[in-house]
Amino acid sequence: DTEVTQTPKHLVMGMTNKKSLKCEQHMGHRAMYWYKQKAKKPPELMFVYSYEKLSINESVPSRFSPECPNSSLLNLHLHALQPEDSALYLCASSQGPRYNSPLHFGNGTRLTVT
Amino acid sequence: TQLLEQSPQFLSIQEGENLTVYCNSSSVFSSLQWYRQEPGEGPVLLVTVVTGGEVKKLKRLTFQFGDARKDSSLHITAAQPGDTGLYLCAVQTGANNLFFGTGTRLTVIP
Repeated sequence: DTEVTQTPKHLVMGMTNKKSLKCEQHMGHRAMYWYKQKAKKPPELMFVYSYEKLSINESVPSRFSPECPNSSLLNLHLHALQPEDSALYLCASSQGPRYNSPLHFGNGTRLTVT
Repeated sequence: TQLLEQSPQFLSIQEGENLTVYCNSSSVFSSLQWYRQEPGEGPVLLVTVVTGGEVKKLKRLTFQFGDARKDSSLHITAAQPGDTGLYLCAVQTGANNLFFGTGTRLTVIP
């Protein structure tokens, strides 16, 4: 079992819906990440929170809105998505902003936009 | 141009065979990580290599960091069906930014 928990595991939403993906870790990690992974491709970084502040936004469209309510939780709010946004969304955490700090990934939310 | 190119992209082998996966770049890195991602799961860290020329072993997996710290290889001896998955090399391009290679999808046939 992974120490990073993501819910839901699967999500199907229409283009006009609003939904949220949730991620939780209790390892005391101070950096949390959202990655997007399309089929047969490597994960691509979307957002990084460090000490609950957004530190990296990789030019992600505004229809994706991250939120870090506290050091253990990370949300990704979704609104007006497009079918091409269908993908596996992975959350990860690490000890903090230092080199060689490995990332611990959740098992992802598989999102389908119809 | 990808920062990290992995080869081969796909590999299908019989159980018991040996294989090597490569991760190449034109850039120099202070360290490099290898992850394995199994179907339906997130990537899991296998190893971090830091020193040029370093060799690390994890059971039947042998990882090597190139002398110039621009490339790395992963060698699997006597592959088993449980080794099936997506193998990803990764480097940190900033303190908080882990960038993944193009990936090698391995299938081990029983």
